[in-house]
Parts: sequence; C-alpha cells; structure tokens
Amino acid sequence: QVQLQESGPGLVKPSQTLSLTCTVSGGSISSGDYYWNWIRQHPGEGLEWIGYIYYSGSTYYTPSLKSRVTISLDTSKNQFSLKLNSVTAADTAVYYCARGGSTISDLDPWGQGTLVTVSS
Amino acid sequence: QSALTQPASVSGSPGQSITISCTGTSSDVGSFNLVSWYQQHPGKAPKLLIYVGSKRPSGVSNRFSGSKSANTASLTISGLQAEDEADYFCCSYAGSNTLVIFGGGTKLTVL
Repeated sequence: QVQLQESGPGLVKPSQTLSLTCTVSGGSISSGDYYWNWIRQHPGEGLEWIGYIYYSGSTYYTPSLKSRVTISLDTSKNQFSLKLNSVTAADTAVYYCARGGSTISDLDPWGQGTLVTVSS
Repeated sequence: QSALTQPASVSGSPGQSITISCTGTSSDVGSFNLVSWYQQHPGKAPKLLIYVGSKRPSGVSNRFSGSKSANTASLTISGLQAEDEADYFCCSYAGSNTLVIFGGGTKLTVL
C-alpha cells in the first residue's frame, strides 16, 4: 500500500524559506489520477490546506499562501516538495503531505507529519 | 473563504450514538456533495473516515456514517467505543477559487 513520509528541517529562521519533501513508497507518484497535497496544522488548532501538485505537474495553491508557496514534483525520486518563503512565527505548524483522489477533498493516505518551528 | 463550522466538543457514553455537524455555505458544502471526514488521535496523522459525503474507504467501520442536508454535513458514530475518542475534522471542496477548506475540528469525549 502507498505510504508517505515527510522530511526536512525542524527549525527555520524568520524570513527564510521552509523546505520539505514528501517521499512516496508503495506506488509511483506519476501513475494514476492523483493529487499530491500539503496540509498544515498550527499547534492545537485545525487543519489548513496549502495546495497540491497533480501527477501531470499542474499546481494549485490556497489563495492566502499563493504568493509564498511552490510545490514541485521529482518523479525520478518519487517525491514531491513544498517551499514556503518569507516565513514568520505564524508558519510554525505540523506539516503533512497526503494523496488526494479524484474529488480532491478525499485525502488518503497521510504522512505522519513533521513539526516545523520558525524561530531565530 | 472561512473555515467550516463544527462544534468544539461533543461527548457520549459507550454504546451510544453521536452526531457531529459541519456547517458551510452555498458555495461549498451546499453546492457540492464532496465532504470528507477525518479522525485524528493525539500526535497522529488524520485518517480518512468518509468521502463524497457518505462513502467509507475500505477498512473503516460501518459505525461511521455521513450525510448532508442543505449547507450542513454530518458525521454519525454509532455504538460509541473508547477508541473513538479523538478529534474529528470535516473537509469540503469549495469551488475553483479556494478549492479545499476544513472545519475547525470537534473533540469527541467518550464518557
């Protein structure tokens, strides 16, 4: 079965760029009709959808983060990545990657999540 | 676009049934039958329970069911068990601008 695993620095300085990678195992990231998503959860709060990259390479970002976000695909490594620039303390959160099905909002499976803290 | 509205907490005794509501607008929940529900235990990743309003992925107990009326979706858990104590989030497709929005989450306590 498909499994996802996030990786990347757990601490990022304000104004710098947050970079995370999601490694997909048990299936090819470029096969099938799937959306590869990033979602975050601020400490003790709800979920916030960040955006997706389609297996074809097209992307879509939530309007509130659109100016700072880039999601990319590396099919040779079966990975997709998130870059969020000009971070502030408000970007401190647990970041999850998840596979989306044909309806976009059906996200399954999810990675275990990785906590990113923005602090100097 | 604002998050979907869920009650902050609900509770029930083992064996009982509870329902969690998720209220949106005519631009999201009301316009599309594309609501999903997730269960999240502390320190764990969310798990998909319901998609397309009422469908269960393979392996999810039939004690979990979803429905929708107008701008409000609902998750019903029947035969409550201690292991059901967790946070529950709804999620909806919200059209071509915002695309995906989540509810604020509901903490379920099994008494």
